[in-house]
Amino acid sequence: EAGVTQFPSHSVIEKGQTVTLRCDPISGHDNLYWYRRVMGKEIKFLLHFVKESKQDESGMPNNRFLAERTGGTYSTLKVQPAELEDSGVYFCASSPDWDGNQETQYFGPGTRLLVL
Amino acid sequence: GNSVTQMEGPVTLSEEAFLTINCTYTATGYPSLFWYVQYPGEGLQLLLKATKADDKGSNKGFEATYRKETTSFHLEKGSVQVSDSAVYFCALRTRGNQFYFGTGTSLTVIP
Repeated sequence: EAGVTQFPSHSVIEKGQTVTLRCDPISGHDNLYWYRRVMGKEIKFLLHFVKESKQDESGMPNNRFLAERTGGTYSTLKVQPAELEDSGVYFCASSPDWDGNQETQYFGPGTRLLVL
Repeated sequence: GNSVTQMEGPVTLSEEAFLTINCTYTATGYPSLFWYVQYPGEGLQLLLKATKADDKGSNKGFEATYRKETTSFHLEKGSVQVSDSAVYFCALRTRGNQFYFGTGTSLTVIP
């Protein structure tokens, strides 16, 4: 079974540019999560999709970030325009239907974003 | 609010040494607790978990016990190997299914 994949693995852009990150969850997983780790700090939750619907987007930092999951399969996270403080590692995770306490999230390798 | 605090690294140990990585949490309600590990170039992998007080999670020689009285979930291993070199993240999951992670602790095991 293929794991969660993310593309690109690295991205270096200039301030003001646009970047789109992609996440392909494990096939059949309804739940998809985005997280971000800013250098040296904790991994922070950004948002949660259940299929194509945004279940919780309370962690999205501002309106420069737009996440979509059309069709309930892969998801994209667009940052427009990018700022220096957006630099970090963006992780995606997926999980099957939530079953009480049994949910385990499976993480992708992350996309390292550097905004210059 | 909810938060996780784990010991800062980096941690460097010799092979076969005893490992402890401290983790404490603050949470409303009764969270589930997790340790994730990230090996170089890979994504986070679930190492172990505990869903209620006094539960012990264990995997690959690692153990952690959910201590409600001390709000802790310390990770231990009796004898580390070079292959255990990685970044370790403590995390909690609330009943509302939100995850909160610590800052990560980098472990390097030298032969």
